[in-house]
Amino acid sequence: GQQVMQIPQYQHVQEGEDFTTYCNSSTTLSNIQWYKQRPGGHPVFLIQLVKSGEVKKQKRLTFQFGEAKKNSSLHITATQTTDVGTYFCAGLNYGGSQGNLIFGKGTKLSVKP
Amino acid sequence: EAQVTQNPRYLITVTGKKLTVTCSQNMNHEYMSWYRQDPGLGLRQIYYSMNVEVTDKGDVPEGYKVSRKEKRNFPLILESPSPNQTSLYFCASSRVLASGANVLTFGAGSRLTVL
Repeated sequence: GQQVMQIPQYQHVQEGEDFTTYCNSSTTLSNIQWYKQRPGGHPVFLIQLVKSGEVKKQKRLTFQFGEAKKNSSLHITATQTTDVGTYFCAGLNYGGSQGNLIFGKGTKLSVKP
Repeated sequence: EAQVTQNPRYLITVTGKKLTVTCSQNMNHEYMSWYRQDPGLGLRQIYYSMNVEVTDKGDVPEGYKVSRKEKRNFPLILESPSPNQTSLYFCASSRVLASGANVLTFGAGSRLTVL
């Protein structure tokens, strides 16, 4: 079936270093969402990208949606300890319903102070 | 406060003893879904519901049942739990838009251990 692959699975960085996680789909996506799950918490929505080539920023976080709408990335500049958690992407196929939102397996980020 | 409420938050049970995890949302959302989260496997969808009396299987429905008799509630039923159903379970809800995608609001999670 359709999959959304997310890499890396784990990332350990020193505080202040940058971090990037990537999502790749085997099919063209209608849109892609990003969620963050803090340790011991639940996933919380960060952003949704809809347009080809779209770039959105939230403070130190930059989200991109590929031109072909098959890949996306989340980049964090100068990580802080508050960035610790697991980041998930979730993609929706064209013509798909909300029930067909496919989650990547997530990237677990740890930040060493 | 807009939220998704799951109960119980923690449960230890034994193989074969039927249990229900409740999920309730106060946002009048049409869509509700159950996920299980296991290390290295991410979030896997168990069942979802697009509206009252409409439910569909997700990726891992075996061993689970759901019902959607009211818009606000979407209980997850384990008729005969087995140890491989030990997991962290999340309920989520959202509106349903014509575009097919909307933001999911997750509950706090229910950690289930089956001995």
